[in-house]
Amino acid sequence: DAGVIQSPRHEVTEMGQEVTLRCKPISGHDYLFWYRQTMMRGLELLIYFNNNVPIDDSGMPEDRFSAKMPNASFSTLKIQPSEPRDSAVYFCASSPGAGGTYEQYFGPGTRLTVT
Amino acid sequence: EDQVTQSPEALRLQEGESSSLNCSYTVSGLRGLFWYRQDPGKGPEFLFTLYSAGEEKEKERLKATLTKKESFLHITAPKPEDSATYLCAVQPLGVSGSARQLTFGSGTQLTVLP
Repeated sequence: DAGVIQSPRHEVTEMGQEVTLRCKPISGHDYLFWYRQTMMRGLELLIYFNNNVPIDDSGMPEDRFSAKMPNASFSTLKIQPSEPRDSAVYFCASSPGAGGTYEQYFGPGTRLTVT
Repeated sequence: EDQVTQSPEALRLQEGESSSLNCSYTVSGLRGLFWYRQDPGKGPEFLFTLYSAGEEKEKERLKATLTKKESFLHITAPKPEDSATYLCAVQPLGVSGSARQLTFGSGTQLTVLP
């Protein structure tokens, strides 16, 4: 298996622009997670899905952030409009479903820089 | 609120010098405690899951242990390639037992000198 795939790996954008991050989870995994990592706050959960349905979005910072999972093999995290404080590394992770184990497998991340 | 505290923040060892990393946690019902390794510029890599106090898991030079309040990651005779940030995370059972979120500690940055 190729593991969790994220794109782009690096994104540089100007304040006010829309940013879309993409994720392909491991095939057969029922759970998908979006995290953000910064030096100040560490690794924080933003939102997670089970069978394409959002379960907990309490970590989404504000209305500028939105996430979708239109099918089992694709998810997006969108920031509109972007701000410099959104600069961070964004990780996607996936995990097996009921009856499986609980560990999460992370993608390589997208490093976002907002100028 | 679930909390995870890792110590020390940074640790420098000579090759072959064994040591332990600490992860203290508070959680309202623990499903599992997870250890990850993260190399610079990469995503966290899963190492171990521990589910109950007294449980131990081993992988090469690493051994993870769990008590009701903390977990230790013991590194025996480390090599330079063990240099990385080691992250600890907890997963609660949740109200319905279906929670899947992880709360991470801030990590221990390990450097093993040749």
